Amino acid sequence: DVKVTQSSRYLVKRTGEKVFLECVQDMDHENMFWYRQDPGLGLRLIYFSYDVKMKEKGDIPEGYSVSREKKERFSLILESASTNQTSMYLCASSPSAGRSSYEQYFGPGTRLTVT
Amino acid sequence: GEDVEQSLFLSVREGDSSVINCTYTDSSSTYLYWYKQEPGAGLQLLTYIFSNMDMKQDQRLTVLLNKKDKHLSLRIADTQTGDSAIYFCAGASGGYQKVTFGTGTKLQVIP
Repeated sequence: DVKVTQSSRYLVKRTGEKVFLECVQDMDHENMFWYRQDPGLGLRLIYFSYDVKMKEKGDIPEGYSVSREKKERFSLILESASTNQTSMYLCASSPSAGRSSYEQYFGPGTRLTVT
Repeated sequence: GEDVEQSLFLSVREGDSSVINCTYTDSSSTYLYWYKQEPGAGLQLLTYIFSNMDMKQDQRLTVLLNKKDKHLSLRIADTQTGDSAIYFCAGASGGYQKVTFGTGTKLQVIP
């Protein structure tokens, strides 16, 4: 059974803290994605990675960075958390080729609250 | 980039059919998807349709694609309370297997 796991389901952090969100997939997928989900706005792409050490900005990268040192792991970093980064964060992965390369597998999400 | 729009909310009675609608802007979308998100969970792929198809049926689910109007719909027959969830349509046409998701439609099924 394919699996994407995220390090925390719920996280509460203070303004200005550095926050790490971890995502691990066990499907040997090349592509990994970080989204944030907000009511009425749907899913917005923050960053994605198509290979180890490779990253591309999504639609809303400001205030975030990412790291992909191993194929199975993709980390999202909030350098200095702010209250407007309170959101649900979803990680996803997909293979690199074929029809199924657009089919994304999602983790359960991390609900981050910044106070 | 692609824009994908959906209405935010739909309420139906158990046993009725549900129709969730979606419009998209990028006519080059190769695949169009429907995902389901149950409360407290990530998204799960429900079904997809290739851009050269008009209709696809999968058990209780029927996907209709009108390429001329750039309109996609998901029909759920005999809607059950377990179908209560947020449904996202998504279009895939970008490089690096990028997918653009709609805003999501929250389906409420009334017993």
